[in-house]
Amino acid sequence: SQQGEEDPQALSIQEGENATMNCSYKTSINNLQWYRQNSGRGLVHLILIRSNEREKHSGRLRVTLDTSKKSSSLLITASRAADTASYFCATEPPSGGGADGLTFGKGTHLIIQP
Amino acid sequence: DVKVTQSSRYLVKRTGEKVFLECVQDMDHENMFWYRQDPGLGLRLIYFSYDVKMKEKGDIPEGYSVSREKKERFSLILESASTNQTSMYLCATSGQGASNGYTFGSGTRLTVV
Repeated sequence: SQQGEEDPQALSIQEGENATMNCSYKTSINNLQWYRQNSGRGLVHLILIRSNEREKHSGRLRVTLDTSKKSSSLLITASRAADTASYFCATEPPSGGGADGLTFGKGTHLIIQP
Repeated sequence: DVKVTQSSRYLVKRTGEKVFLECVQDMDHENMFWYRQDPGLGLRLIYFSYDVKMKEKGDIPEGYSVSREKKERFSLILESASTNQTSMYLCATSGQGASNGYTFGSGTRLTVV
């Protein structure tokens, strides 16, 4: 069953603007991760935020996590054409350890207009 | 960097054929996973393995089996391919604790005709 649900399903913005994507999930988690997928390729890990963390930064990426609302957001600042891709959130169950598989949402397709 | 290699980028098979999808990693990762990705459905976990010769069913194991005889290789087997198994198949690996997330292969786009 799907755990994460991204919102919006698609987003088109101008280059240089900020892009915000949201993810909601249903059950307790050990951590939440964001991945990027360029068309027809594999997924690339972007950032991981643990259940006891509220915010994390990596370069132009900012992730927040609200476990009380079971939601997360991914902010990409100063977007570039190369950021055009699909973005997925994925949750790891409380058992952790990396062995049980992540549950992915259906993704947000981001288009950066030059 | 961890590298995860899937043996084929594109594959076309006939209904009823036995299909092998291979995944090889070049790091010492314990955990390996097979997902399929379909439009509108996202990624769904088929099988995973946390050690050699160990396997666990994911959310959609029906019609599939797996083999992990060596730590670096995880094979997905379609015993008798059907058209509803036409999909993008993604292999992924993670180390203990998975603090750096999963590393994915480039995917195999399988078409069953």
